[in-house]
Amino acid sequence: GAGVSQSPSNKVTEKGKDVELRCDPISGHTALYWYRQSLGQGLEFLIYFQGNSAPDKSGLPSDRFSAERTGGSVSTLTIQRTQQEDSAVYLCASSLPTGGQGGYTFGSGTRLTVV
Amino acid sequence: AQSVTQLDSQVPVFEEAPVELRCNYSSSVSVYLFWYVQYPNQGLQLLLKYLSGSTLVKGINGFEAEFNKSQTSFHLRKPSVHISDTAEYFCAVSDPPSNTGKLIFGQGTTLQVKP
Repeated sequence: GAGVSQSPSNKVTEKGKDVELRCDPISGHTALYWYRQSLGQGLEFLIYFQGNSAPDKSGLPSDRFSAERTGGSVSTLTIQRTQQEDSAVYLCASSLPTGGQGGYTFGSGTRLTVV
Repeated sequence: AQSVTQLDSQVPVFEEAPVELRCNYSSSVSVYLFWYVQYPNQGLQLLLKYLSGSTLVKGINGFEAEFNKSQTSFHLRKPSVHISDTAEYFCAVSDPPSNTGKLIFGQGTTLQVKP
């Protein structure tokens, strides 16, 4: 597609439920990143995928968070047993392999509210 | 570890006035630097980037930034702002520039342009 697509755009879930957030990157972009943006905070790095390499999971805040990327394209971020502190906007971005030079293309994000 | 500090959380300014949004980074290696803008309910959009060469970088919408290695700064400027520039602005540094392209973001600066 023309841009990075994220779904759903908004998600309200009850505490303790599991949620899945989806990201469709730009076609041909081999690098994919997930960030979390909490109210009044900057962007917190969560996880990074590059082609077939092992993902960099160093930013995942707990073992309740996981992500996968199927076929080198679509990615799903899963949060198990959601907590209220998980409420945030989850942003996905993709880039060419030289992402460090070209910058990212961001999706519009998924706003997650845990009640 | 690299870090980015945006010195002002909010910057109010009148329309047609000049503005400077400040960004300092800490790194012991050469870096790539970026400014992103986030309009309400949207993802982040790349404004400009510094990779190498001229320290004055021009971006979209009339913005420019100057890389100052000795002061480890990358301040964003615009000589005359418009109401439509009201948004959140994020400074980011690549970590490191040679491989993953993972970006470290500052906390963001909210630019409020008043009529």
